Amino acid sequence: AQTVTQSQPEMSVQEAETVTLSCTYDTSESDYYLFWYKQPPSRQMILVIRQEAYKQQNATENRFSVNFQKAAKSFSLKISDSQLGDAAMYFCAQGSGNTGKLIFGQGTTLQVKP
Amino acid sequence: NAGVTQTPKFQVLKTGQSMTLQCAQDMNHEYMSWYRQDPGMGLRLIHYSVGAGITDQGEVPNGYNVSRSTTEDFPLRLLSAAPSQTSVYFCASNRRESGTDTQYFGPGTRLTVL
Repeated sequence: AQTVTQSQPEMSVQEAETVTLSCTYDTSESDYYLFWYKQPPSRQMILVIRQEAYKQQNATENRFSVNFQKAAKSFSLKISDSQLGDAAMYFCAQGSGNTGKLIFGQGTTLQVKP
Repeated sequence: NAGVTQTPKFQVLKTGQSMTLQCAQDMNHEYMSWYRQDPGMGLRLIHYSVGAGITDQGEVPNGYNVSRSTTEDFPLRLLSAAPSQTSVYFCASNRRESGTDTQYFGPGTRLTVL
């Protein structure tokens, strides 16, 4: 069975500092994708960044980057120059290439301190 | 282009009542999914569809029915509501193209079963 584990229920970071959120996954599929979603209090699911498993290069989106370790099945999110608006729940998810269905981790609540 | 829409936004049911949560997308996406999010947890897949006329079960399908008669619509039916179905429900859609597989989420329906 596919599983996604986020071992940090809560994290905090000082504004302008860098924080890393951890995620591990387990799958037997060879064609899959990995995602980080942000969920603010509005509950809207916002895509932060995605990574295709067949790509070795780590994805980056402005202040957000990932460290994808395929052999270790690890997919961490680094947020640089943290801003107050980054405060939210962050979910790691693994997607099936054949169906698009997602398996989510339990989430990490990120607090940004001014 | 409205994206993924869900109705209603809020609903209160009594135990044993039935209802249908509506989901529609105008992006011509083949794949659609239903998730539920319980307090402090990640999203769990209820049912998904890879195209009109094709549906399959996710992680937590019991108590829910789906059908996909058109590409645009993917309603979720609660047959006999139970308090354990109190949750926030998200519908999502995606189209696989160019190797990407990003899901677009609706705003969610908050359901309370008394």
